[in-house]
Amino acid sequence: DTGVSQDPRHKITKRGQNVTFRCDPISEHNRLYWYRQTLGQGPEFLTYFQNEAQLEKSRLLSDRFSAERPKGSFSTLEIQRTEQGDSAMYLCASSPQTSGRENEQFFGPGTRLTVL
Amino acid sequence: QKEVEQDPGPLSVPEGAIVSLNCTYSNSAFQYFMWYRQYSRKGPELLMYTYSSGNKEDGRFTAQVDKSSKYISLFIRDSQPSDSATYLCAMSSYNTDKLIFGTGTRLQVFP
Repeated sequence: DTGVSQDPRHKITKRGQNVTFRCDPISEHNRLYWYRQTLGQGPEFLTYFQNEAQLEKSRLLSDRFSAERPKGSFSTLEIQRTEQGDSAMYLCASSPQTSGRENEQFFGPGTRLTVL
Repeated sequence: QKEVEQDPGPLSVPEGAIVSLNCTYSNSAFQYFMWYRQYSRKGPELLMYTYSSGNKEDGRFTAQVDKSSKYISLFIRDSQPSDSATYLCAMSSYNTDKLIFGTGTRLQVFP
């Protein structure tokens, strides 16, 4: 299947360590999004790319967070100097640039981060 | 006040019941409306997508949008235990791609 994939699915790290997550979007989807979801809440937008260009970033994305999408294919989200408050599910989504279906976003399974 | 309000539930119904899930919103710029289903510790799964007022039906699911009241609904007919999950409403405006989600309503369908 060509759904959105994320790696790793689970990550446990110690406070202060750096972590990197990867997202592979659905083939030919040119838009890619990152969201964060904590327990009992809906996903919150972090940032999104159209091809390789990062077009919007949330205020939630502090300077410890950085996202890239080289060559407009897969994307990585890095968190530096992790804090316990970073513990959450990190979700990636992608969407096609098809008229009439804008913002129809398809999500991956997520990466669950636990910071000890 | 949040831009999107959704009752967190839990909502518990018997198998076969009609389920009504609702969201209200405050931003009149929202143009696109979605419903997602999320099973525990999984990613959200897109159920319904609409960008106009009125009803849209897909199998046992009907999405309803009332822009004048800033109110959207999802109806599930003949509910099944496999429908037990958290249902998230999401919406966005025409000038941004980011989705604004409700908190999700947890649904439990018992046999």
